[in-house]
Amino acid sequence: DADVTQTPRNRITKTGKRIMLECSQTKGHDRMYWYRQDPGLGLRLIYYSFDVKDINKGEISDGYSVSRQAQAKFSLSLESAIPNQTALYFCATSDLGAGAEVEQFFGPGTRLTVL
Amino acid sequence: AQKVTQAQTEISVVEKEDVTLDCVYETRDTTYYLFWYKQPPSGELVFLIRRNSFDEQNEISGRYSWNFQKSTSSFNFTITASQVVDSAVYFCALSDENTGNQFYFGTGTSLTVIP
Repeated sequence: DADVTQTPRNRITKTGKRIMLECSQTKGHDRMYWYRQDPGLGLRLIYYSFDVKDINKGEISDGYSVSRQAQAKFSLSLESAIPNQTALYFCATSDLGAGAEVEQFFGPGTRLTVL
Repeated sequence: AQKVTQAQTEISVVEKEDVTLDCVYETRDTTYYLFWYKQPPSGELVFLIRRNSFDEQNEISGRYSWNFQKSTSSFNFTITASQVVDSAVYFCALSDENTGNQFYFGTGTSLTVIP
């Protein structure tokens, strides 16, 4: 089984709808992240969480919210989806290591289309 | 501010040719970490290597090698004797202690290996 899973893998929704993307991990990591990938822009950080009680905004948090339900679960919500939120979304995890050395492990991605 | 530049948007090579993917980074921190990830057509992100700022020793792993030069703020990635399976988008990323484990990704280089 994959260490980092994302559901759904693909989603098509309409403008104005609320949608939730879910991420679960079995790696036992404390840190979790949500990114979006757009063609030509690489990956950009939306939100990150260093533990259940520590949630922080990333570079592009507007229009998104998150919930860290447990160490292993980190959900991303779009309260009212708009077409420019069409993108590939990745969840990632990392261990609470020394400094910033630890690599991040990524889920398979969720392809979201907002019509 | 932290920044990663991958100036090569797309590269095409013929199978068995060598290819170098460039990565230039900016950070004011003296302790930082550099990473390379591979994103094959299937979409997942695969961790390739981590290098910390105190270790400028080049690394070789099979057909892959990495050249880290602090003097030019570069962390280039060379694939020797390229193969069709190397076709992917490659991302360079930076993290430093000032920003915890936040990753700053470049925009990626799309490599196509032609058989």
